[in-house]
Amino acid sequence: SYELTQPHSVSVALGQTATISCGGRDIGSKSVHWYRQMPGQAPALVIYNNTERLSGIPERFSASNSGNTATLSVSGAQDGDEAAYYCQVWDSKAPGAVFGGGTKLTVL
Amino acid sequence: QLVQSGAEVRKPGASVRVSCKASGYTFTNHFMHWVRQDSGQGLEWLGIINPRGGRAVYAKNFQGRLTMTTDTSRTTVYMELKSLRADDTAVYFCAVDPFDYWGQGTPVTVSS
Repeated sequence: SYELTQPHSVSVALGQTATISCGGRDIGSKSVHWYRQMPGQAPALVIYNNTERLSGIPERFSASNSGNTATLSVSGAQDGDEAAYYCQVWDSKAPGAVFGGGTKLTVL
Repeated sequence: QLVQSGAEVRKPGASVRVSCKASGYTFTNHFMHWVRQDSGQGLEWLGIINPRGGRAVYAKNFQGRLTMTTDTSRTTVYMELKSLRADDTAVYFCAVDPFDYWGQGTPVTVSS
């Protein structure tokens, strides 16, 4: 079955750029979606189809996807960006949605 | 908007049904997913249902134990999980395809 690997946690200094990776076999050939989850809330879509920001998501959030790694970047990190971030793809062979294990972003 | 039913507690071996009422869009135009999240915080996809016709596809790990249904008159989808085990303890979410709207989550606890 298809698997996505994310770092358990990422720390970033206030105002700096955080990078969260999502590794998967030939993930560059798939559409990757990113979700942000605040404590006690449901996940919320942030980036879809590799690079598209959902309406209302600031330009500080960007993403890329190539080869075996997709990446979510958060520039000018703010306290409000602290959350868990998940990547997700659709596995057509399963079929089904596959989520990464999630990355806890901490802003120092 | 997706509004789910309240928290449930069940004993091992029992069944649980969670509902997800949709509003604010044409119910039959969008598939609905179910996803669960355990205390370890991982997200696990359970399946997807087409409200128009009721055809569902389930994750392999849940085939035989999971049933998804819809009631178009109530714009509601249901998820029923049978033969519950302790490791089914999780928060269960419904989400409109393509995961752009989520319900608030329903905690299900399986404990003797």
